[in-house]
Amino acid sequence: DQQVKQNSPSLSVQEGRISILNCDYTNSMFDYFLWYKKYPAEGPTFLISISSIKDKNEDGRFTVFLNKSAKHLSLHIVPSQPGDSAVYFCAATLAQGGSEKLVFGKGTKLTVNP
Amino acid sequence: AAGVIQSPRHLIKEKRETATLKCYPIPRHDTVYWYQQGPGQDPQFLISFYEKMQSDKGSIPDRFSAQQFSDYHSELNMSSLELGDSALYFCASRPAGGGYTQYFGPGTRLTVL
Repeated sequence: DQQVKQNSPSLSVQEGRISILNCDYTNSMFDYFLWYKKYPAEGPTFLISISSIKDKNEDGRFTVFLNKSAKHLSLHIVPSQPGDSAVYFCAATLAQGGSEKLVFGKGTKLTVNP
Repeated sequence: AAGVIQSPRHLIKEKRETATLKCYPIPRHDTVYWYQQGPGQDPQFLISFYEKMQSDKGSIPDRFSAQQFSDYHSELNMSSLELGDSALYFCASRPAGGGYTQYFGPGTRLTVL
């Protein structure tokens, strides 16, 4: 039972355009969400996070939006750069009173074309 | 900035052998997590430690054990290795005193032949 779902295995965008990566979750108890970027043969690198008490968090070119009623979050990258090409994982956790283990989606491979 | 260190980076073992993976968290991080990522899969939580005590356990086989030492480094011990244990094993650490972000090491790629 996949509690965190990334339904698009891959996404291709042109350099300078916006990249939008989507993530859905089924467990309404999740209260903290994170996005990680992963290159081959490396560990996941933390990008940005959002608490369930917020609906938006921004850090430079990266913005995460959370829609709790729809159990949906998205990562926007503007403008996209070729160096952003990687696999992006969405992760969720029960920060309050839980073990804080991360539950991951299966990832979306982003390719930014020059 | 200091990162999570994992050793070895690559390990090749035969079936039924044992393996030990080591993780050195970022300084002043007191919580360590282990994850397993199979080919084409998402990382799956195995086990975690907070202040040297096991804090949570996921889908970790009984053949695996782990501990966290007084210097906060952690070791994952795997016995009676099976072909299906071939995977990337990630360690992550979280800072003491708050914050929910986990910082990952580069991983150990275990191949069981």
